[in-house]
This record gives sequence, C-alpha cells and structure tokens, in this order.
Amino acid sequence: KAGVTQTPRYLIKTRGQQVTLSCSPISGHRSVSWYQQTPGQGLQFLFEYFSETQRNKGNFPGRFSGRQFSNSRSEMNVSTLELGDSALYLCASNPSGSMGNEQFFGPGTRLTVL
Amino acid sequence: AQTVTQSQPEMSVQEAETVTLSCTYDTSENNYYLFWYKQPPSRQMILVIRQEAYKQQNATENRFSVNFQKAAKSFSLKISDSQLGDTAMYFCAFMRGNAGNNRKLIWGLGTSLAVNP
Repeated sequence: KAGVTQTPRYLIKTRGQQVTLSCSPISGHRSVSWYQQTPGQGLQFLFEYFSETQRNKGNFPGRFSGRQFSNSRSEMNVSTLELGDSALYLCASNPSGSMGNEQFFGPGTRLTVL
Repeated sequence: AQTVTQSQPEMSVQEAETVTLSCTYDTSENNYYLFWYKQPPSRQMILVIRQEAYKQQNATENRFSVNFQKAAKSFSLKISDSQLGDTAMYFCAFMRGNAGNNRKLIWGLGTSLAVNP
C-alpha cells in the first residue's frame, strides 16, 4: 500500500500570497489531519477531516482553511501569508479517526514565507 | 487544557546501551491515550509505541517499552540495545479518550536523541 503523500514537498512564497497544500491519504483511510510543525511551537493541530466534513479544528486564524474530497484527498489553504507561517506542514491519515488509532504521517510540505 | 512536557531537549547514548526519555502530562481526564512518535532526520514521523490509560500493563514493542505511571502523570520511553537507526527526534503525544469533536493529538516539544557508535 502506498503511504501518505504530500505535494509539493517544498514551497517558497512571499508575504501576502496564498498557498494550497495537498495530501493523499493511504487508500481506505477516511480521516485526514493536518499539523503545523515549527521549532519554537512544536507540533500544533490545525484540523481534521472525515468523510468530507471538518470534524475538529485547532486554534488557528481563519486564514487557515481546508477541505476534503470524496476520494479522501485533502487540501489546506493559507491565505495572506505571514512570515510566521513558515513551517513544516504535516498531514496524517488513519482509517476511521477512532480515538487512540495510530496516525500515519506524510513527509510534509516545507513552506518558506519571505 | 491538556499539556505535554518533555524536559530533555537533547540526549545521547552509546550504541547498544539503554536510554530513557521522559514525558509528563497534565490532564483531568481519566480516559486517554499516550503515544511516542519518532521523526528521523528528513524522514517521516512514525509511531513507536502506544498506551491506553485504562491498561495498567506497560506497553512493549521489541526494544521499546514504556513506564506508565498514571498517578504521577508520567510516560517515559525506554530504548534498549540502542541502534544507530534510533537517532531521531522523539515526540510524546496525548489524546483524550472521550474526545467527541475535540479529537486531536497534543504534543510535547520533543527530545533529540543521538546514538553514537
């Protein structure tokens, strides 16, 4: 089975621009979660999607949004980029999102905002 | 709110020796899950070991074991017979058991472990 894939792997943007990141979960997995990883704040939960519905949301501003398609692929969008948005964005999937399940992570998208 | 603390930002160990990584957490919940994840340099995050809070027996996965002290809210990871491939960032994480619509992993800041030959 192919693992979780994320595209693009690296991205450089300037302040004020917007960006869209993509995540394809493991086949058959219906839950997709997004995390932001920075050296200072560590890993922080952004949101979780299950069957095309946002089921959980972290404490991020409205500039961060996401969606999930019928094939479980997910995208996250960040509008009006700020320098502080520079981070590794990780996507994780699991079959049903049941509590306590292992999360399978993708390699991440490294976003640099100049 | 739940918090996870890893008090050792960096650690090192000689190959074949044993090392213990510390993790403490704060919660008022009685039902929850604890995890150790490993992030090797430039590689993907993978699950090392998982513990359900209602289970008294400490989880074990080959060379990896945990010391789960529920009353003390402590969840340490022991790596036996350390190997060079164990070099990685190790994250302790918490998830509420009755999360409802607040189902998310809460992470510690990580411990960077270097295994030296």
